[in-house]
Amino acid sequence: NAGVMQNPRHLVRRRGQEARLRCSPMKGHSHVYWYRQLPEEGLKFMVYLQKENIIDESGMPKERFSAEFPKEGPSILRIQQVVRGDSAAYFCASSPPTGGVVAGANVLTFGAGSRLTVL
Amino acid sequence: KQEVTQIPAALSVPEGENLVLNCSFTDSAIYNLQWFRQDPGKGLTSLLLIQSSQREQTSGRLNASLDKSSGRSTLYIAASQPGDSATYLCAAPNAGGTSYGKLTFGQGTILTVHP
Repeated sequence: NAGVMQNPRHLVRRRGQEARLRCSPMKGHSHVYWYRQLPEEGLKFMVYLQKENIIDESGMPKERFSAEFPKEGPSILRIQQVVRGDSAAYFCASSPPTGGVVAGANVLTFGAGSRLTVL
Repeated sequence: KQEVTQIPAALSVPEGENLVLNCSFTDSAIYNLQWFRQDPGKGLTSLLLIQSSQREQTSGRLNASLDKSSGRSTLYIAASQPGDSATYLCAAPNAGGTSYGKLTFGQGTILTVHP
């Protein structure tokens, strides 16, 4: 049981470059959430995905950020044309498949995070 | 919109003390509430999950209570140890909707237990 795997753990990018963060959910989990933790701020919800579907992206910045969870492979959070303000820890979490709250649909298991530094 | 507040922001205690961390939330129509631990530069570790039908949950030296009517939860740590030093986060789900894992986190309490 490898848990939620995120990579890279640390990523350094220069302004204007692209950042791609990957997340493999826990075995048996089909729901993925991305959260961002800015320096000196709390964790903020970004996006909720199921396989091939974005369910809730109400926390995503309107520009430069996108997320996907393809049928095969990990979930990807992509940040285009990064700026210094994007420097943060990005956490992925997964939860069990459908069944609602009774089935533990909001009991999240978090990964160790990917720390993005924009120079 | 759910809002979560944690008090105190930081706490420093000598080893062996019992301590209480506080969490308050604005929308009491929640399914459950979770407490997490975050070590510097690390991810989140789930400590306790309290269902809305429960009043408290225990794991080892940790005990979490939930009072939905007052919008409050407390995390009680007994006989604190230096290894308990970390940031403790309280998280409540957004009531309603189907984004069940859309949690609102408090700012956290930074706990330091010194020998």
